[in-house]
Amino acid sequence: GAVVSQHPSRVICKSGTSVKIECRSLDFQATTMFWYRQFPKQSLMLMATSNEGSKATYEQGVEKDKFLINHASLTLSTLTVTSAHPEDSSFYICSARDRGATRSYNEQFFGPGTRLTVL
Amino acid sequence: AQSVSQHNHHVILSEAASLELGCNYSYGGTVNLFWYVQYPGQHLQLLLKYFSGDPLVKGIKGFEAEFIKSKFSFNLRKPSVQWSDTAEYFCAVSRNTGFQKLVFGTGTRLLVSP
Repeated sequence: GAVVSQHPSRVICKSGTSVKIECRSLDFQATTMFWYRQFPKQSLMLMATSNEGSKATYEQGVEKDKFLINHASLTLSTLTVTSAHPEDSSFYICSARDRGATRSYNEQFFGPGTRLTVL
Repeated sequence: AQSVSQHNHHVILSEAASLELGCNYSYGGTVNLFWYVQYPGQHLQLLLKYFSGDPLVKGIKGFEAEFIKSKFSFNLRKPSVQWSDTAEYFCAVSRNTGFQKLVFGTGTRLLVSP
């Protein structure tokens, strides 16, 4: 099956610093990747849709200058949390859609998530 | 805007009991429907999905779900749960066009006692 990895799995940083999270599709090419945020005991909230070679599409209420997304290749998307603050502490999850799928719906495959703690 | 509601936040069952988790969505157009499972410490996995056709969908691990269009529902069922089904279950909806973004419900935490 399709595998999506995230790195790092956990990160602790000081307030004011920036943190980069990587999302990779390991055995398929993904033209579209999605970034989600999950608060404790809550659902996944879509933050942005990342397309290879173009600017990301952010959901309403998500600060694009705060959460920088770069989809530089068909297998890698990065999320950078800039000037992180304690309220940015959360579980960040990415998913990727298989470019090669021919079905009308292209299934999303999820990464294992990255737990960010900002002190 | 689309929304998804899951009525049960926590469910506790004994092994061999039957399971039904409710899911309702709000969107008038054509949708794709999903159930995802998140086992403790693991990533989200797709249990089953509905695009079109037979409204009774069978997924992995003995799960099934029924799409009832008139009720905007997509309830998940399993006739006999096992301890290994302990996990969090998410219902999700996407439109059939554009990026096909997923909108998730709040999740149901299932605990199956041996």
